[in-house]
Amino acid sequence: SQTIHQWPATLVQPVGSPLSLECTVEGTSNPNLYWYRQAAGRGLQLLFYSVGIGQISSEVPQNLSASRPQDRQFILSSKKLLLSDSGFYLCAWSVRENTGELFFGEGSRLTVL
Amino acid sequence: KQEVTQIPAALSVPEGENLVLNCSFTDSAIYNLQWFRQDPGKGLTSLLLIQSSQREQTSGRLNASLDKSSGRSTLYIAASQPGDSATYLCAPRAGKTSYDKVIFGPGTSLSVIP
Repeated sequence: SQTIHQWPATLVQPVGSPLSLECTVEGTSNPNLYWYRQAAGRGLQLLFYSVGIGQISSEVPQNLSASRPQDRQFILSSKKLLLSDSGFYLCAWSVRENTGELFFGEGSRLTVL
Repeated sequence: KQEVTQIPAALSVPEGENLVLNCSFTDSAIYNLQWFRQDPGKGLTSLLLIQSSQREQTSGRLNASLDKSSGRSTLYIAASQPGDSATYLCAPRAGKTSYDKVIFGPGTSLSVIP
């Protein structure tokens, strides 16, 4: 069966520090991968999606970037965090050429102070 | 641009009641619609997926219906239990490729009182 892992689960970082959140999917190959952010009192916002290694599409211009160095690994990064980057970050995957059903990880809570 | 609303925003019911959560979307040209559950501080758990050609899907005590032409979906929960307490989100998808957007509703926060 397929599983998705995110880490770290919780992160407290000062403004201006770098960020790296990781996501890996097991039990499937060639998945579509997504990064969402859920800010307090707001809905889920799609940040990035990827259909393959090195292929990243950005939905919202921002202080963040994403990379996909391996087929089942998706990384969310920032060189310098802003207060507004605080939120709950969720990684998701779907099988390509299939129903399009989305499956989510457990999320990473980022607090920027 | 697809907009998704969910009514009610919050709901508190005694254990054992049957309840209905509503989802409305403005663009009826969807490929599928997915219902999720989110517990506090956790990720989203997929509950049901309805393809645009389907009218409903069932899983245990959950039943989701889809009326694409009117831009509505409902999630019916039978015999509610305290463990059903969570936020429920609906998410219509524009198309079957990864480039087609999934837009999430704001959610309905459900509390089932023992």
